[in-house]
Amino acid sequence: QVQLQESGPGLVKPSETLSLTCAVSGYSISSGFYWGWIRQPPGKGLEWIGSIYHSGSIYSNPSLRSRVTISVDTSKNQFSLKLSSVTAADTAVYYCARGGSGSYRHYFDYWGQGTLVTVSS
Amino acid sequence: EIVLTQSPGTLSLSPGERATLSCRASQSVSSNYLAWYQQKPGQAPRLLIYGASSRATGIPDRFSGSGSGTDFTLTISRLEPEDFAVYYCQQYGSSPQTFGQGTKLEIK
Repeated sequence: QVQLQESGPGLVKPSETLSLTCAVSGYSISSGFYWGWIRQPPGKGLEWIGSIYHSGSIYSNPSLRSRVTISVDTSKNQFSLKLSSVTAADTAVYYCARGGSGSYRHYFDYWGQGTLVTVSS
Repeated sequence: EIVLTQSPGTLSLSPGERATLSCRASQSVSSNYLAWYQQKPGQAPRLLIYGASSRATGIPDRFSGSGSGTDFTLTISRLEPEDFAVYYCQQYGSSPQTFGQGTKLEIK
């Protein structure tokens, strides 16, 4: 069974960089599929941040692209998100998930439980 | 980017009834790459349908998806108590992939 688990600070100061890691178990990232980040502000809908392939190929949302860095570490079977220059608008539950279709055009079939990141001084 | 509009915003029904949820796209969804998710409070979304009409692994057959182009529908044939949740559609045919704003299915 594929399992994903997000980790990282729950509180980030404005203008700083949000950093999260997603540890994957039950499946080797090197075997394929895209691996993505999605966020959900409290009480609101879902927003795709970006996705990465094991080779390092990245697709990201143009609305966040200038602030987003996504990387993969196949040796640790994990991938990471960095979001720079955060503001209160970046407060959200951040999910990591697997792109189920194996293509850059993917839905998400396995999700982490999500981690709340609050941006506040 | 493609904007997805879900309707209604809230749907009030009783267990045993049929639910019909709509997702309309601002432009045609390439290859009908449209997915549906269910989300319960405090939980991650759960994939129900992909490719507009294919059920994900382990999803009961009371859930069905249909539609093409710009108009898509999720139907729950006979509501069970555990089906009351928020439902989101997602298009993944064009980048950036986008989600609808959600439909809340509540117990009447």
